[in-house]
Amino acid sequence: AAGVIQSPRHLIKEKRETATLKCYPIPRHDTVYWYQQGPGQDPQFLISFYEKMQSDKGSIPDRFSAQQFSDYHSELNMSSLELGDSALYFCASSLAQGGGYTFGSGTRLTVV
Amino acid sequence: AQSVTQLGSHVSVSEGALVLLRCNYSSSVPPYLFWYVQYPNQGLQLLLKYTSAATLVKGINGFEAEFKKSETSFHLTKPSAHMSDAAEYFCAVTNFGNEKLTFGTGTRLTIIP
Repeated sequence: AAGVIQSPRHLIKEKRETATLKCYPIPRHDTVYWYQQGPGQDPQFLISFYEKMQSDKGSIPDRFSAQQFSDYHSELNMSSLELGDSALYFCASSLAQGGGYTFGSGTRLTVV
Repeated sequence: AQSVTQLGSHVSVSEGALVLLRCNYSSSVPPYLFWYVQYPNQGLQLLLKYTSAATLVKGINGFEAEFKKSETSFHLTKPSAHMSDAAEYFCAVTNFGNEKLTFGTGTRLTIIP
């Protein structure tokens, strides 16, 4: 069965650089979520999209932005990267009527 | 707002012994509850979920959890621990199944040979 695809798997950036993370949800899933998991931390909700519109917003820095495109894939754009942005970034997708969430394998971002 | 509390950030059990990982939730409306497992440097894998059907939920790898409304609990159990169960376990809650998940702080399970 198709899963949630995230790219890249690993990313190394320098401080003040920009990063773009991509997420391809399960086909026909209409909702996408982004989470950030710092070292030894639980995943923290960043932002979600339902039918290409932002549906909820969590603790996402102003330096970050995200969108969902017409093909339902989503991108998380991170600018002016800081060392503290180093984390595992997960994307998950679901159907609005329930059925559970499926997480991707994550993108590990390291800021040096 | 909903939240989950996982009691015990680290749990150690002997191989073959009972595994019990505790999760208590707080929610103003009937919750949907989940248990995820995360192996080192890997993603989150769904073990099981409660979505207001049967209160005893069976998941993968021999795990199960029981939703107890009176105790606001959703503890995860496995009768006999296996070395491959060593991982981080997260309990999570949401309200309507299509809203964000709120995770607990996780429990690291260690299996003693």
